[in-house]
Amino acid sequence: EADIYQTPRYLVIGTGKKITLECSQTMGHDKMYWYQQDPGMELHLIHYSYGVNSTEKGDLSSESTVSRIRTEHFPLTLESARPSHTSQYLCASSRTGGDTEAFFGQGTRLTVV
Amino acid sequence: AQSVTQLDSQVPVFEEAPVELRCNYSSSVSVYLFWYVQYPNQGLQLLLKYLSGSTLVKGINGFEAEFNKSQTSFHLRKPSVHISDTAEYFCAVTINTGRRALTFGSGTRLQVQP
Repeated sequence: EADIYQTPRYLVIGTGKKITLECSQTMGHDKMYWYQQDPGMELHLIHYSYGVNSTEKGDLSSESTVSRIRTEHFPLTLESARPSHTSQYLCASSRTGGDTEAFFGQGTRLTVV
Repeated sequence: AQSVTQLDSQVPVFEEAPVELRCNYSSSVSVYLFWYVQYPNQGLQLLLKYLSGSTLVKGINGFEAEFNKSQTSFHLRKPSVHISDTAEYFCAVTINTGRRALTFGSGTRLQVQP
């Protein structure tokens, strides 16, 4: 059983609000990721981190930002939510090394009205 | 950069029938390949992975996949599906150098009918 947690699971929020999606893992993984997934669509990498104080943009441009102050915590923030941000956001983590699988949280389904 | 193509967006199949979900990848360097399953309103769960060695890989829930380097494919198979196998299946690739984040295909919706 993977130990990676995302909160909240569902969030409905008004346009212009600031939101933070939480992601925590207890496996001591150095690498963490945020993927965005629209319904019935593929996952797109929007942020990743190699370790503490290391964050980079992914393949899909996103207005969100991330921070990695602690190994276990990788929150994603939207300063001003818009309806175009409505999507599912999946957090994942893995050990260093390309031959290890990523473990995923259950996701946060965000709806901006 | 690497990429993944899942040729079928939806695969309907009757219960107890065999199924194959197709995946092709593109990369200029050696790759690691994965199949994940996603049930409704859930995250992704690893089914199986190919790292090296035997090209036939067995995973959980009776699934297996075969790595074919010449055809750059990694098709997923199950000899007899169950209703509970209805889900979205994602093929993913990562390379053994550089960033190593997973690149996903667009997914295949497996619909098992009674």
